[in-house]
Amino acid sequence: AQKITQTQPGMFVQEKEAVTLDCTYDTSDQSYGLFWYKQPSSGEMIFLIYQGSYDEQNATEGRYSLNFQKARKSANLVISASQLGDSAMYFCALREYGNKLVFGAGTILRVKS
Amino acid sequence: DGGITQSPKYLFRKEGQNVTLSCEQNLNHDAMYWYRQDPGQGLRLIYYSQIVNDFQKGDIAEGYSVSREKKESFPLTVTSAQKNPTAFYLCASSISLRVNTEAFFGQGTRLTVV
Repeated sequence: AQKITQTQPGMFVQEKEAVTLDCTYDTSDQSYGLFWYKQPSSGEMIFLIYQGSYDEQNATEGRYSLNFQKARKSANLVISASQLGDSAMYFCALREYGNKLVFGAGTILRVKS
Repeated sequence: DGGITQSPKYLFRKEGQNVTLSCEQNLNHDAMYWYRQDPGQGLRLIYYSQIVNDFQKGDIAEGYSVSREKKESFPLTVTSAQKNPTAFYLCASSISLRVNTEAFFGQGTRLTVV
């Protein structure tokens, strides 16, 4: 079974607008972590934001925030005030207790000027 | 600077040959990973290691082998048994396998079979 599902293969957003990238996950563990990474065309993987399963507040890092809905098992990434440099592939990942990091299929984001 | 170094950046291999991809980290991390990425696809886990001299198969380990003789190094060998090895390979490390530990990635190696 898929641990991480990203249903949007590609997204477009107008510069300066906000965009939400969807991520749902599947785990029976109580303790787990959710991560978002950005991959520009150069191929490097850049860590953006982390949400722990026990965190009561949604995580925020600058223009990135994570809309965490535990009951629905979703961890959507919100990028505010999009910039041209935000154009990249975005991956959601899950780490269960004492375990490997599993990635979703990714969403390509294109920011239009 | 602390980080993860993968070499080479580009690698060409003839069919039937084994090839080894290098991954070195100076972050003093216990855990290391190898992922494979095909064009337009997500990352698939090949192998991971929690500590020296120990490693576990990931989701697509067939045709690959690894070693972890030193904490800093986690080389990946792509053997001739791997039917379709052309891909982008990413090495990563993390402090541990705890849920709140992010993974840091190298720059990747693009392997092409010619």
